[in-house]
Amino acid sequence: AQSVTQLDSHVSVSEGTPVLLRCNYSSSYSPSLFWYVQHPNKGLQLLLKYTSAATLVKGINGFEAEFKKSETSFHLTKPSAHMSDAAEYFCVVRASGAGSYQLTFGKGTKLSVIP
Amino acid sequence: NAGVTQTPKFQVLKTGQSMTLQCAQDMNHEYMSWYRQDPGMGLRLIHYSVGAGITDQGEVPNGYNVSRSTTEDFPLRLLSAAPSQTSVYFCASSRTGSHEQYFGPGTRLTVT
Repeated sequence: AQSVTQLDSHVSVSEGTPVLLRCNYSSSYSPSLFWYVQHPNKGLQLLLKYTSAATLVKGINGFEAEFKKSETSFHLTKPSAHMSDAAEYFCVVRASGAGSYQLTFGKGTKLSVIP
Repeated sequence: NAGVTQTPKFQVLKTGQSMTLQCAQDMNHEYMSWYRQDPGMGLRLIHYSVGAGITDQGEVPNGYNVSRSTTEDFPLRLLSAAPSQTSVYFCASSRTGSHEQYFGPGTRLTVT
């Protein structure tokens, strides 16, 4: 079984300052990890994914995440927040193995960006 | 290539009514799934299918039925709607071996 814990339900940053959204995971197998973003009243868009290749993963819109197995973490970062980054972000884990497609979502972190 | 489409976008039901949420994909993906999203809960898996004729339950299947007669379509049926089913419903699809799931735009359902 796998699970995901997003450590903050709400994060507020000023425009131009760094963003850190924290995620810890639990998985019995080598996991695949994802970050999805959801803008208000929109569907989900994949930001980035980790699938056992490089531990530092770069995504769209300047976001990146680092897989740390020893800490079971997959935190999302961005050097400089933009107003358009205001959205809800979901950390997601998928167990590896043939035929395993089920995703387990964290409860989400709402990011506010202050002008 | 439309990706994953869902209809309707909005729906209001009275308690006890039935309805079907439609989901279709044109990417020839084998895997399809339904999630519900509630405030502060993230997305929770309702049912999924790994191919035509094969379905299985997810985390919160009670009150919902699914079928998969074709690769393209994966409808979600509410047989007797309850206020607890007020939610936003997302359909997703993925091809075999892929790590990425593609999500539809969602259906916002209100049960009064």
